[in-house]
Amino acid sequence: KQEVTQIPAALSVPEGENLVLNCSFTDSAIYNLQWFRQDPGKGLTSLLLIQSSQREQTSGRLNASLDKSSGRSTLYIAASQPGDSATYLCAVEKAAGNKLTFGGGTRVLVKP
Amino acid sequence: EAQVTQNPRYLITVTGKKLTVTCSQNMNHEYMSWYRQDPGLGLRQIYYSMNVEVTDKGDVPEGYKVSRKEKRNFPLILESPSPNQTSLYFCASSPHTFTGELFFGEGSRLTVL
Repeated sequence: KQEVTQIPAALSVPEGENLVLNCSFTDSAIYNLQWFRQDPGKGLTSLLLIQSSQREQTSGRLNASLDKSSGRSTLYIAASQPGDSATYLCAVEKAAGNKLTFGGGTRVLVKP
Repeated sequence: EAQVTQNPRYLITVTGKKLTVTCSQNMNHEYMSWYRQDPGLGLRQIYYSMNVEVTDKGDVPEGYKVSRKEKRNFPLILESPSPNQTSLYFCASSPHTFTGELFFGEGSRLTVL
C-alpha cells in the first residue's frame, strides 16, 4: 500500500528565505506526483504536476523535483512571501486514473 | 469561469437521514473524484470516476455511493449517515487521467449528530 509522508508537519520562516518542502513515498511505481496548496477553509489548488518520466517542473518561484528511485520529491519556493503561508500537500497517483494518495501536508508560515 | 461547484457547503444532519452532496464541473472533464479530509488522517479518496457510467472505489468507500450519469455531475450519496462520516468533503475533476492536474471544489463541511 502506498504511503506518502511529509516532514516537517509545520515550518516557520522569515520573509525572503527559500522554502524547501519534502515529500516521500514508499512505492516508486507512480504515474505522477502533484503538489497542492491549501488555504484555511478552502479547497486545494494544484501548483505543479510532475509526470513519472520527468525530473522536475518549474512555475515562477516554484520548482519541484522528483526522484522516483529514492521515493522523494522536493518543492522549492524561492524568496518566500507572507502570501505563501498555507498548507502544502503532495499526492501520488499509482496509475493513470487510479487512486490518489496524499501526504499529511506541511503547514508553512512566512513571517513578515 | 472554470470551476468545480459543491453543494451544500455546510450541513448538519442526524444519523440515518439520507443526504446527497452534489458536485458539478463546467470544464468538460472526464475524471472526477471525491475525498474526505480529517484531522490527523489527511485527505483520503472515497470514489472516483474516469468517465460517464464508470466509477470505482477509492480507499474509504464504505458508507458512500456515487453515480456518474452525466459528464458534469458526480453526486456523493450517504444513504444512512453516521457520526464517523462527519468530515470535510472535497470534489475534484481533471481533464484526462494522463494530464492529472486536479481542480478542487471549495469543500462541504458535514456534521452528523
